[in-house]
Amino acid sequence: DIQMTQSPSSLSASVGDRVTITCRASQSINYFLSWYQQKPGKAPKLLIYAASSLQSGVPSRFSGSESGTDFTLTISSLQLEDFATYYCQQSYNTPYTFGQGTNLEIK
Amino acid sequence: QVQLVESGGGVVQPGRSLRLSCAASGFTFSDYGMHWVRQAPGKGLEWVALISHDGSHELYTDSVKGRFTISRDTSKNTLYLQMSSLRVEDTAVYFCARDLIPSSNSWLAYWGQGTLVTVSS
Repeated sequence: DIQMTQSPSSLSASVGDRVTITCRASQSINYFLSWYQQKPGKAPKLLIYAASSLQSGVPSRFSGSESGTDFTLTISSLQLEDFATYYCQQSYNTPYTFGQGTNLEIK
Repeated sequence: QVQLVESGGGVVQPGRSLRLSCAASGFTFSDYGMHWVRQAPGKGLEWVALISHDGSHELYTDSVKGRFTISRDTSKNTLYLQMSSLRVEDTAVYFCARDLIPSSNSWLAYWGQGTLVTVSS
């Protein structure tokens, strides 16, 4: 199975901060990487697919990039509604696997 | 708009069976791959299974192979997850999800609200 190592596991930041979350795949997954946002008691929401494509309706302050097996989610200027848990997920091979999540908290 | 509504969750004893349903609306059901994803209480997300848009391919995570079966009924616009030989570790909220792109199985773009399955004696 492909392992997705996500870091950090938790992060404290302030409104307006620039935040970066990283996911490393245990092998090449090409661009088959998605990022999700999940708030307590809610379903995950797709933010980024194909490593860097912004899902329709998602604010442009969210962006994704890739460098080999390293993938990055960047939030350019944190808003209050962005405090949530974020997950990466590879869909290159089944079983599709998620990172362990990053809990983004208000500082 | 795309809507996915799961049902069928509940409390079940270990070793018993349960069938989850996911009613789909707002799109042409037969055009899209569908997935089940679960989340144990307080834990992260775990992909469980997918079925291709035409039902010709089913894939599962190892821990449910031989116990769970994913299926779809186009006439009812409904996705199913038949779960048998349930274990305590299957306790989770189960989400169904639709792919982003027709005929694709890669991008989980639309999600239901989830249904809770509790396996306990």
